[in-house]
Amino acid sequence: QSALTQPPSASGSPGQSVTISCTGTSSDVGGYNYVSWYQQHPGKAPKLMIYEVSKRPSGVPDRFSGSKSGNTASLTVSGLQAEDEADYYCSSYGGSNTEVVFGGGTRLTVL
Amino acid sequence: EVQLVESGGGLVQPGGSLRLSCAASGFTFSSYWIHWVRQAPGKGLVWVSRINSDGSSTNYADSVKGRFTISRDNAKNTLYLQMNSLRAEDTAVYYCARVLTYNSFDPWGQGTLVTVSS
Repeated sequence: QSALTQPPSASGSPGQSVTISCTGTSSDVGGYNYVSWYQQHPGKAPKLMIYEVSKRPSGVPDRFSGSKSGNTASLTVSGLQAEDEADYYCSSYGGSNTEVVFGGGTRLTVL
Repeated sequence: EVQLVESGGGLVQPGGSLRLSCAASGFTFSSYWIHWVRQAPGKGLVWVSRINSDGSSTNYADSVKGRFTISRDNAKNTLYLQMNSLRAEDTAVYYCARVLTYNSFDPWGQGTLVTVSS
């Protein structure tokens, strides 16, 4: 069982917006502003999309945005495009022992 | 170009050992913390281990503690993961990933597959 809880699937039509949630506890998501989101296409390595809850690395489209409320973080993809279809994983700092905790992943389908 | 390239994966019997390598290029390797993350076939990402920039501090997931050892050679721009007493549940693609800030990783290597089976 993953430390962070994500819905297994999400979907939307091209041009629409979709939000993926990531629920943890006060010991990880709720306790630190160190939530990251990764995109992974089949057979490829993960790619960082969001870090420190809402920051975008250089080169990531501004269609991708992140937020957090309490123990739940969210990734919103606006203006869905076909190439956004992928698996998305959240992660959080988990404290000095288990430094990194991941969610189980959400498969995003563009209808 | 900032790049990480893993190698050393393969088929190993239960109880066996394997050493993975992660060769870095395009950045000052000795300035960055690096992590290992693994992904079992068809499953999600799982954190494995971390090493700081000069190799003086390491940390491990409970599932590999006492069996895996992370190390680095900054002169060779290379990270290692020595894996001993391997189990079937260690079967996964192993990625090395450079720390951007705290627990955010960018970039990741392409991964190397470790299969533990008799």
